Amino acid sequence: SAVISQKPSRDICQRGTSLTIQCQVDSQVTMMFWYRQQPGQSLTLIATANQGSEATYESGFVIDKFPISRPNLTFSTLTVSNMSPEDSSIYLCSVVGGQGMNEQFFGPGTRLTVL
Amino acid sequence: GQQLNQSPQSMFIQEGEDVSMNCTSSSIFNTWLWYKQEPGEGPVLLIALYKAGELTSNGRLTAQFGITRKDSFLNISASIPSDVGIYFCAGPSQGAQKLVFGQGTRLTINP
Repeated sequence: SAVISQKPSRDICQRGTSLTIQCQVDSQVTMMFWYRQQPGQSLTLIATANQGSEATYESGFVIDKFPISRPNLTFSTLTVSNMSPEDSSIYLCSVVGGQGMNEQFFGPGTRLTVL
Repeated sequence: GQQLNQSPQSMFIQEGEDVSMNCTSSSIFNTWLWYKQEPGEGPVLLIALYKAGELTSNGRLTAQFGITRKDSFLNISASIPSDVGIYFCAGPSQGAQKLVFGQGTRLTINP
């Protein structure tokens, strides 16, 4: 499976600021996703990061709040904009692989705390 | 949208005991995935299931894809301290590659 890294691993930010999270994969992958995991909760899909076009957002998530870039097949960024304490979560990127391209492999996550 | 109901939400067991957890849905899934997440880490894929009735093992872990395609279970035999973590079931939503996750089962082991 692909090796996935995320930067930063954690950050503490002030209300109203923005943070950009990077996801780097060691091989070219077709599909990349961004998830949010709120404290003590399961994972919720934010969006599909599309290479060369705008990301596809899930219900409840909008581009103005979570702009995503995917400049090539190995890299993507997620920005959390105008942060509030409710944005405190773990943000994870994932890539598709495996049999039938139905398996997903996750990065280590970025733990964000907003004060 | 599709939802996965995972139970139990938490388990407190003694080292050496066997563990069983399950995941159910009101709709059919074509793939079932089981992940483990440890503190400070992303979920790690343990087992992937692709056929109804399929029974797959990974060391002390065994998972089955239910015949109705609406459920799956994960068993851990002879638990050890490193089995501690949160176990999630997941499946592709509405036939697409994006995943929907269960709520997770938090496993705690008393040595």
